[in-house]
Amino acid sequence: DGGITQSPKYLFRKEGQNVTLSCEQNLNHDAMYWYRQDPGQGLRLIYYSQIVNDFQKGDIAEGYSVSREKKESFPLTVTSAQKNPTAFYLCASSIVSGVEQFFGPGTRLTVL
Amino acid sequence: RKEVEQDPGPFNVPEGATVAFNCTYSNSASQSFFWYRQDCRKEPKLLMSVYSSGNEDGRFTAQLNRASQYISLLIRDSKLSDSATYLCVVNPARQGGKLIFGQGTELSVKP
Repeated sequence: DGGITQSPKYLFRKEGQNVTLSCEQNLNHDAMYWYRQDPGQGLRLIYYSQIVNDFQKGDIAEGYSVSREKKESFPLTVTSAQKNPTAFYLCASSIVSGVEQFFGPGTRLTVL
Repeated sequence: RKEVEQDPGPFNVPEGATVAFNCTYSNSASQSFFWYRQDCRKEPKLLMSVYSSGNEDGRFTAQLNRASQYISLLIRDSKLSDSATYLCVVNPARQGGKLIFGQGTELSVKP
């Protein structure tokens, strides 16, 4: 089955720790995205990548980092510099940028 | 002015009702538009894409008014399972292919 997977589904982190969220797709999509959603809020773009080995900052990139070494993988690291990391993190992909995006099931990160 | 604006609702309607949501966008050069539905604590799922004047899929109809810069979603014969948050999404063009998501409109269909 083709799709987007994210792991883990739930993640708990102590303050001051870095944590990496996984996102994998087997749809052969060129573009991938990371969003953050807070309760009752819309989606905010963290980083996006239009092609392998290239990525751009979104609207709220501070405290986050990404890599895109393989077409199918776009991991997100939440660093200790991110002031309020507790949120629902969603990964998406699209065949090219600017068209329909398809989402993974998300990771809920809680900082203790 | 926000790039994409939606009435947050909630819209509370009885089963079988027809309900319409409006979404306005600020960038007149916007090229394409999408409606997603998001269930509570789940990921958004694509409902419909709009590349020209509109689109229809069963009970769902999307209409685009470029002159007034709004897009609407009409749901006919509402079902209990339609209860969700509906996200209006716009490709504003000339922004590297980023999509802009509205805050969403909450719909609750009651028996």
